[in-house]
Amino acid sequence: DAGVTQSPTHLIKTRGQHVTLRCSPISGHKSVSWYQQVLGQGPQFIFQYYEKEERGRGNFPDRFSARQFPNYSSELNVNALLLGDSALYLCASSSDRQGWHTGELFFGEGSRLTVL
Amino acid sequence: DQQVKQNSPSLSVQEGRISILNCDYTNSMFDYFLWYKKYPAEGPTFLISISSIKDKNEDGRFTVFLNKSAKHLSLHIVPSQPGDSAVYFCAASEDNQGGKLIFGQGTELSVKP
Repeated sequence: DAGVTQSPTHLIKTRGQHVTLRCSPISGHKSVSWYQQVLGQGPQFIFQYYEKEERGRGNFPDRFSARQFPNYSSELNVNALLLGDSALYLCASSSDRQGWHTGELFFGEGSRLTVL
Repeated sequence: DQQVKQNSPSLSVQEGRISILNCDYTNSMFDYFLWYKKYPAEGPTFLISISSIKDKNEDGRFTVFLNKSAKHLSLHIVPSQPGDSAVYFCAASEDNQGGKLIFGQGTELSVKP
């Protein structure tokens, strides 16, 4: 079975640009979460979506937005990119019964964003 | 406000010995505590978890201990193997907010043959 897939794996943008990152969850998983991992730090929660609705939002500015589609895939959008947005962006999916309750998430390999 | 802290950025252990990774937290509302393992160029992988109503959970070579009064948990790996070399993240979540994990900064474990 395919795991969580993310695209693109690497990308380079310049300050002020916009970026869209994509995530396909494991088949059957309806919940998708997004995390930002800056070098040397642990992942930091950005958003959680379940059944196409936002169920949680971390402490990130409004430049960050996301959505979930009917097939449960998800997009993370970041506008007006800053140098500090350079990070690994991780997508994670979970099933209703396990991950939603306990936090056992399945992570993708991430999208490495570099802002110049 | 760092709710989950891993104060040791790195740990080096000899193969066959015990590895002990530590984690402290401040939020008494956390219901679940988890350990994730991360290899370079891969996403974190779930390793083991413990509910706040327990004080120990064991899975093969991995055991997690929870001390609620001290707001401290630890991961024991016995015996340690070179393949265990990775970055280990401690994480916590409140009940029914499993998608919103609060991670520590990570501890890089190196197991030397």
